[in-house]
Amino acid sequence: QQQVKQSPQSLIVQKGGISIINCAYENTAFDYFPWYQQFPGKGPALLIAIRPDVSEKKEGRFTISFNKSAKQFSLHIMDSQPGDSATYFCAGVHDYKLSFGAGTTVTVRA
Amino acid sequence: SAVISQKPSRDICQRGTSLTIQCQVDSQVTMMFWYRQQPGQSLTLIATANQGSEATYESGFVIDKFPISRPNLTFSTLTVSNMSPEDSSIYLCSVVFGATELFFGEGSRLTVL
Repeated sequence: QQQVKQSPQSLIVQKGGISIINCAYENTAFDYFPWYQQFPGKGPALLIAIRPDVSEKKEGRFTISFNKSAKQFSLHIMDSQPGDSATYFCAGVHDYKLSFGAGTTVTVRA
Repeated sequence: SAVISQKPSRDICQRGTSLTIQCQVDSQVTMMFWYRQQPGQSLTLIATANQGSEATYESGFVIDKFPISRPNLTFSTLTVSNMSPEDSSIYLCSVVFGATELFFGEGSRLTVL
């Protein structure tokens, strides 16, 4: 049973647009919520992460919004660029162990 | 962040054989893990590689199939034993660096014929 549900499975956005990926979790023991970016043939790279006592975290064009009561969090990619085309995974962490969402393939059209 | 090197980066193996994957980190790390990513899928935790003791396996993974060694704080190996085509996956080493950040190697892509 997947502990983190991620949607959509894929999305297409125009260059300069906003990409939004949503995740929901069940395990309230999770104490850290990272997002990973993965390009074909590469390992996942840590993009941005948030703790559940924070409602929002922004790093450059990437923002995590976190709603603890709803057990939901999302990634916003502002001003999307063709180089952002990749697969994005959300995850919940407990005891340093990652439970991943299913992944979202983002395609940015020039 | 840590530099995590995995060998081999890819390999093609015959059914019934075994392959050992190495993970080398450029600094000492306490926590080290092995994940599997099946084709087009997400990542699943195989086991925690414990330094100086037996690995801790997640549900669905067993030591006879995926023996793991962790002789020191910078190195670990994962062996995929008696391989079948269903074992074709990317196997990834992950380490904790800093307080909570988890980083991955580039992965070892295994194809079993």
